Amino acid sequence: KAGVTQTPRYLIKTRGQQVTLSCSPISGHRSVSWYQQTPGQGLQFLFEYFSETQRNKGNFPGRFSGRQFSNSRSEMNVSTLELGDSALYLCASSVGQSYNEQFFGPGTRLTVL
Amino acid sequence: KNQVEQSPQSLIILEGKNCTLQCNYTVSPFSNLRWYKQDTGRGPVSLTIMTFSENTKSNGRYTATLDADTKQSSLHITASQLSDSASYICVGDNQGGKLIFGQGTELSVKP
Repeated sequence: KAGVTQTPRYLIKTRGQQVTLSCSPISGHRSVSWYQQTPGQGLQFLFEYFSETQRNKGNFPGRFSGRQFSNSRSEMNVSTLELGDSALYLCASSVGQSYNEQFFGPGTRLTVL
Repeated sequence: KNQVEQSPQSLIILEGKNCTLQCNYTVSPFSNLRWYKQDTGRGPVSLTIMTFSENTKSNGRYTATLDADTKQSSLHITASQLSDSASYICVGDNQGGKLIFGQGTELSVKP
């Protein structure tokens, strides 16, 4: 069974640009959660999608948004990038809601210059 | 305020030795407590998930304990191996679907 895949793995952008990250969950998993990981703040929850609906949202500005498609694949978008958005963005999938065991992808390393 | 605190921040041990990592959590309402292992440059991998009614859970050489009264958890690693070098993250689940992550303990196992 294939694991969670994320694309791209690495990305370099400049301030003010926008970026879209993609996550394909494990087959059969309906929940996808997104996290931001930085050395200073550690892992922080961004949002969770379940059956194409956002179920939970963390404390991030509106520049961070996401969506989930009918095949459970999810995208995360960050608009008007800031230097502080440089981070490892991880997605995790689970069968049901996020309180079930989550399986993480390898992450997308975003660098904002 | 929901939060998870881990100690120590970093730890260096010799191969073959045991070690114990600590986690104090304030998560309400509480659903479960998780331990993850994260290798450098990779996503976290689940080691254990414990609900409030579980006191201990093992996964190979990893044994997690949970004391719901004191809101403390520990992860014990037995007979450490070089491949155990990683960040170990304690995570609280507050039933709301939002996971609260600790800052992690950076473990380095030396030969």
